Amino acid sequence: DIVMTQSPSSLAVSAGETVTINCKSSQSLLSSGNQKNYLAWYQQKPGQSPKLLIYLASTRESGVPDRFIGSGSGTDFTLTISSVQAEDLADYYCQQHYSYPWTFGGGTKLELK
Amino acid sequence: EVQLVESGGGLVQPGRSLKLSCVASGFTFSNYGMNWIRQAPGKGLEWVAYISSGSSYIYYAETVKGRFTISRDNAKNTLYLQMTSLRSEDTALYYCARRATEGIGNWFAYWGQGTLVTVSS
Repeated sequence: DIVMTQSPSSLAVSAGETVTINCKSSQSLLSSGNQKNYLAWYQQKPGQSPKLLIYLASTRESGVPDRFIGSGSGTDFTLTISSVQAEDLADYYCQQHYSYPWTFGGGTKLELK
Repeated sequence: EVQLVESGGGLVQPGRSLKLSCVASGFTFSNYGMNWIRQAPGKGLEWVAYISSGSSYIYYAETVKGRFTISRDNAKNTLYLQMTSLRSEDTALYYCARRATEGIGNWFAYWGQGTLVTVSS
């Protein structure tokens, strides 16, 4: 199984700051066939279902603000949130969609400082 | 608008069974693979099971293999999860989630609101 490790587990930020969440996979998520990285990011606000933000490591889902940026390749990935807003306070999860069993990182809780 | 509505959760004793349902609307259900994903109280997300659009491919997490069965009825636009031999560690909010696109990768574009399963005596 591919193990997904997120860091940090929690992060306290002020509105307007730029934050970075890291995700590391135990195996490469880069497909040799199409040179795409099979990594997704989700946002989960309290009491809500997860929401897809990013897939294929850097493709933003329709309707997701452009302050959410996914990057990385192989085994190391990053979700950057530029100019954090109060509405961005949530839990964030990475997920590898490269191979079965599909696995999630442990999550990062974004809190207000 | 894509909608996924789960039902069937509840309080059940250890060792008993429960069947969850997820009714889909707003898209052609028979064209998409579907998943069950769960979240224990205060914990992270765990993928549980996947079924392809025509039920040809079915996969389970090791933690539920042999106890849970995923199935679908494309005529009724409904996804199911039959859970047997339930354990306390199966206590979680169970989400159904649609695969984003057929072809490459299994990422979850749409999620239901979840149905809570509590396993306790």
